[in-house]
Amino acid sequence: DARVTQTPRHKVTEMGQEVTMRCQPILGHNTVFWYRQTMMQGLELLAYFRNRAPLDDSGMPKDRFSAEMPDATLATLKIQPSEPRDSAVYFCASGLVLVETGMFYGYTFGSGTRLTVV
Amino acid sequence: RKEVEQDPGPFNVPEGATVAFNCTYSNSASQSFFWYRQDCRKEPKLLMSVYSSGNEDGRFTAQLNRASQYISLLIRDSKLSDSATYLCVVNRGSNYKLTFGKGTLLTVNP
Repeated sequence: DARVTQTPRHKVTEMGQEVTMRCQPILGHNTVFWYRQTMMQGLELLAYFRNRAPLDDSGMPKDRFSAEMPDATLATLKIQPSEPRDSAVYFCASGLVLVETGMFYGYTFGSGTRLTVV
Repeated sequence: RKEVEQDPGPFNVPEGATVAFNCTYSNSASQSFFWYRQDCRKEPKLLMSVYSSGNEDGRFTAQLNRASQYISLLIRDSKLSDSATYLCVVNRGSNYKLTFGKGTLLTVNP
């Protein structure tokens, strides 16, 4: 089965440090999402890309978070500086959307990066 | 009002029971709908899409009522392995951006 691969699986870091999370979407998928999940808020959309172009990052705190897709096989989410309230599970998801025809095949999630900021 | 609302549960049911989850969405322009399943400490996985005419996949039946902006999931003959959190998911429009409910926790007991 094709998979979305996220690294690292777990990250513990000190407040103020930079954190970079990586995602390899499924080959051929043109849409990539970053979500954050906490007990209180559930799954929150942070950013998403189609054909590597950012479409919406309104859910992301701009002062400390940044998301990029340097190429079709890699998406990154960076937090600098990290804060304890950033502790959460960060999920990447990818999918194939054919906007011209309206065909949409659902999204596949990676296993997530569990981030703890102390 | 939240964009997607679900009863958080928890639902505790015996094996073999029938259980139903409900979900409401606030944006009438929403175009497509899904149920995802999330096991403890795992990623969400697509369970089924929800079509206007209603659809069934084995023991699972999904219904959509656009007029009431309401989605449901029915699980018949529940199994221990059905224990998970069930997430109601809505695609608001042509951007294919999914909005998730906070989920309903189901525990199926022996």
